[in-house]
Formats: sequence, structure tokens, C-alpha cells
Amino acid sequence: GAVVSQHPSWVICKSGTSVKIECRSLDFQATTMFWYRQFPKQSLMLMATSNEGSKATYEQGVEKDKFLINHASLTLSTLTVTSAHPEDSSFYICSAFGGAIFYEQYFGPGTRLTVT
Amino acid sequence: AQSVSQHNHHVILSEAASLELGCNYSYGGTVNLFWYVQYPGQHLQLLLKYFSGDPLVKGIKGFEAEFIKSKFSFNLRKPSVQWSDTAEYFCAVGNDYKLSFGAGTTVTVRA
Repeated sequence: GAVVSQHPSWVICKSGTSVKIECRSLDFQATTMFWYRQFPKQSLMLMATSNEGSKATYEQGVEKDKFLINHASLTLSTLTVTSAHPEDSSFYICSAFGGAIFYEQYFGPGTRLTVT
Repeated sequence: AQSVSQHNHHVILSEAASLELGCNYSYGGTVNLFWYVQYPGQHLQLLLKYFSGDPLVKGIKGFEAEFIKSKFSFNLRKPSVQWSDTAEYFCAVGNDYKLSFGAGTTVTVRA
């Protein structure tokens, strides 16, 4: 099956700094990737849709200047949390949409961000 | 906008018991329906999906789900669970390439 990786799997940063999370589709090309946020014991909340070569589309209520998304190639999308604050601490998950099957998304293992 | 509700927050059952997890959605148009599973420490994996056709869908690991259009439901079932089925289960509705997830149900299977 299709494999999606994320790096790092866990990161701790200080308040006010920025952190970059990478999402890679390892064995297929993904024209579209999605970024989710998951709070403990809660569902995944879609943050933004990332399309290769174009600007990301953000969901309502998600600050695009805070969560910078870049999809520079068909296998890589990055999420940069700028000027992180403790309330940004969360589990960030990416998924890649690809292949011939409509709507199927392949999920990465997630990145645990802790802002101190 | 669509919403997805999962009725059970936490289900505890013994091995060999039958499992049914409820999922209802609200959306008037054509939707695609999914069940994902997240085992402890692992990423989300697709259990099964429904796009059209036979409303009874069979997925991996012995799971199946039934789409009942009149009830806006897509309940997940497994006749006999195993300890290894302990996981978080998410129902999702797909529209316009996006997925909306339910809150999830934690399933704990006791040996």
C-alpha cells in the first residue's frame, strides 16, 4: 500500500520559535496533501489542503500566517508552525491523496508538537 | 457543511463478542463514507469505504459496514472481535476531496 512518512515524529520547541514538519509520500506522487490537527481523545480536524505548485487552502478559523504550508513537489509538503505558543501543542497528521481511487487518503504517522 | 457523529465514545468488550459502532452523518448530497482505524501508536488505516453500489461493504480484518441512506447511517460491525482489535475507530464522510471525521470510538477488547 501507499506509504506516507512524517518527520519529525516528535518535537519540543520553545515558545516564540518556529518548527517545520515534513510530510512525504514515499512510493507515489500526491498532487494533494492534507494537514490535520488532532487533540487528545478527539477527532482529526482538517486544517488545510495543500496542492502541489499552488497556495494552500485553509479551513475556516485556521491562521494561514501561523501555519505555513508549502507543497513544492509531488512527494513533499511541509507545515511550518511560526511563533509557536503552548496552545499550538498538538498532534499534527498529514495525508496524501493519490492514485486512481477517488477520495482515498493515505495518512502519515503524525508529529507530536510540544511547545514549552 | 457535513457533520459526522459517532454514538459511542468508549466500548469495552471481551474477545469473541460482536461489535457494532454507530455512525451518522448529516449531508444532503452524495457522500463517500469511510471507516478508519488507529491502532495504539500507529497511523490511521483504512478499514473500508463506500462509494456506491451494494450498501453492505466488506473491509479488511473481518469488518463490514452497512450504508442505510434513509437513516444517514454507516455502522461498522465485526461478528467476533479479537484482542488485536483494540484501537480507535473513526467514521469519516468525504465530499469535494475532503474528509470530515467523527469524534472516534475507543474500542478495548479484553482477553
